[in-house]
Amino acid sequence: GNSVTQMEGPVTLSEEAFLTINCTYTATGYPSLFWYVQYPGEGLQLLLKATKADDKGSNKGFEATYRKETTSFHLEKGSVQVSDSAVYFCALSGILTGGGNKLTFGTGTQLKVEL
Amino acid sequence: DAEITQSPRHKITETGRQVTLACHQTWNHNNMFWYRQDLGHGLRLIHYSYGVQDTNKGEVSDGYSVSRSNTEDLPLTLESAASSQTSVYFCASSESWGGTQYFGPGTRLLVL
Repeated sequence: GNSVTQMEGPVTLSEEAFLTINCTYTATGYPSLFWYVQYPGEGLQLLLKATKADDKGSNKGFEATYRKETTSFHLEKGSVQVSDSAVYFCALSGILTGGGNKLTFGTGTQLKVEL
Repeated sequence: DAEITQSPRHKITETGRQVTLACHQTWNHNNMFWYRQDLGHGLRLIHYSYGVQDTNKGEVSDGYSVSRSNTEDLPLTLESAASSQTSVYFCASSESWGGTQYFGPGTRLLVL
């Protein structure tokens, strides 16, 4: 079945440092890939997505490229801010029995950014 | 603005009690989902619905049920709450099969 593997956290960085959160996946077919972010006490928000190989999703300075050859979708940001502190989830879409899409999530990576 | 809301935000109950968590969306989305979030597991799908009168089991559906009598609401019922159901529950909705899922703020449930 489908699965998503993320690097374990927490990841602690200083403000303005470079961020990489690794994500690899196992899936049949050609899933769409997503990064969701969860700020403390809130639900998940879509950060970015990519729907086919070599697509790059980007938003708020974050980027991730859909790499089919390495089955990866690593999240990067050039200069993190304290306000980026949150939990980041990698996810892929898969087909539900009877049709429709299901999201399979990684376990989440907590990011802490310090001054 | 369209939104998705959940109530209550926090709930404490006792084992064996029936509990219902509400989810209401004003996006007019046909697709709605319930997930639970547990440390080390990420989010796991409990039940989902493609539209009114349609409900389907997800990967961790035992002990849970849902009903869909209108487009806006998908209440989640724990028939007889167990301590293993202590978790944070998220409702989500999407317009299309491959579309973005929009999440509610979550309900934190503690079963004593």
